[in-house]
Amino acid sequence: ETAVFQTPNYHVTQVGNEVSFNCKQTLGHDTMYWYKQDSKKLLKIMFSYNNKQLIVNETVPRRFSPQSSDKAHLNLRIKSVEPEDSAVYLCASSSDIYEQYFGPGTRLTVL
Amino acid sequence: QQNVQQSPESLIVPEGARTSLNCTFSDSASQYFWWYRQHSGKAPKALMSIFSNGEKEEGRFTIHLNKASLHFSLHIRDSQPSDSALYLCAVSDYGNEKITFGAGTKLTIKP
Repeated sequence: ETAVFQTPNYHVTQVGNEVSFNCKQTLGHDTMYWYKQDSKKLLKIMFSYNNKQLIVNETVPRRFSPQSSDKAHLNLRIKSVEPEDSAVYLCASSSDIYEQYFGPGTRLTVL
Repeated sequence: QQNVQQSPESLIVPEGARTSLNCTFSDSASQYFWWYRQHSGKAPKALMSIFSNGEKEEGRFTIHLNKASLHFSLHIRDSQPSDSALYLCAVSDYGNEKITFGAGTKLTIKP
């Protein structure tokens, strides 16, 4: 049963455009995450965010930025997409050290 | 920086067989160890976790952790076709803020 919702499912865009992806969780968790899963299925954490702190992975390019209105929502904006940004972006939430619950993902294709 | 490696990259086993998947990590301060399973086109889902040295069994699945060897493993007995998926190991030193995933083992169970 889905409790982490992501929109859109797919997005195709041109190099240089700006895109935004939305994520909402109904689990009442304090922490949310954005991951990038590339074509080889490698899953890399990009950001983790809770009420107190945004933690940025230092390998994430500055054109990526998370946006949170409250602890149930964490969006991802990419200012000027590059071809290497083509991937599946997965949102997740968790409560402290416990398991992470993932959303279905947004597949981004950059032409 | 944490380095998590999985082996093998892929595995094909007959239905009913026992399967073993391996994960090594580099940071001896790591405290939390997870196996996630991702069926094709779906979100990763937590399968099992272990937080201290030893063994933990849940149904057909057993997880072993040896911190001194920087190694943990997942064993599946009586493998079923529904076990066919990408298996991701994950390691963190505290909570999920700095979780690192391995590149995955693609498991195929042949009927």
